[in-house]
Amino acid sequence: AQSVTQLDSQVPVFEEAPVELRCNYSSSVSVYLFWYVQYPNQGLQLLLKYLSGSTLVESINGFEAEFNKSQTSFHLRKPSVHISDTAEYFCAVDGSGNTGKLIFGQGTTLQVKP
Amino acid sequence: NAGVTQTPKFRVLKTGQSMTLLCAQDMNHEYMYWYRQDPGMGLRLIHYSVGEGTTAKGEVPDGYNVSRLKKQNFLLGLESAAPSQTSVYFCASSKAGAADTQYFGPGTRLTVL
Repeated sequence: AQSVTQLDSQVPVFEEAPVELRCNYSSSVSVYLFWYVQYPNQGLQLLLKYLSGSTLVESINGFEAEFNKSQTSFHLRKPSVHISDTAEYFCAVDGSGNTGKLIFGQGTTLQVKP
Repeated sequence: NAGVTQTPKFRVLKTGQSMTLLCAQDMNHEYMYWYRQDPGMGLRLIHYSVGEGTTAKGEVPDGYNVSRLKKQNFLLGLESAAPSQTSVYFCASSKAGAADTQYFGPGTRLTVL
């Protein structure tokens, strides 16, 4: 069975510092990988996704993630965080064929401090 | 364009009561999903639908039923609520299945006493 592990439940960081949120997955088939973000009291929204091709994917607000097949990882990074990045981040994998069934990790709360 | 909406936003039930959560999307999406979110467990898929008139079980379907009579609506029912169903419920939709972005509603916070 597929699974997703987010290695840190909470990551506190100061504003303008770099951050990495770690995600590992297990799957025996080709996968699609996603990072979703949930701001307080809101639903989730897509941050970025890896489908194929270049292993480095970027979002419009400065986040990037790198697909590493050998290490089965999809870590999320940002070189300089802002207060507004405070949110919960979820890594997800879809290896279900064509149904779009996502398996989510437990979530990582990013707390950006001034 | 409202995207994905959920009704109600909050609800408190007593054990054994029943209720229906409504999800509506105005993006003409084929695929719809119901998830529950619990602290420390991320989101888990309850049921999903790949088109009007179809439904299928997800990861945690027990105690829930769903219906997709109209393409734009996806209903989640609890026939006899239990305290273990206290959770935040999210509906999502996508145009296609695998690899496509899922658009989430704002959630319904349900408490079962």
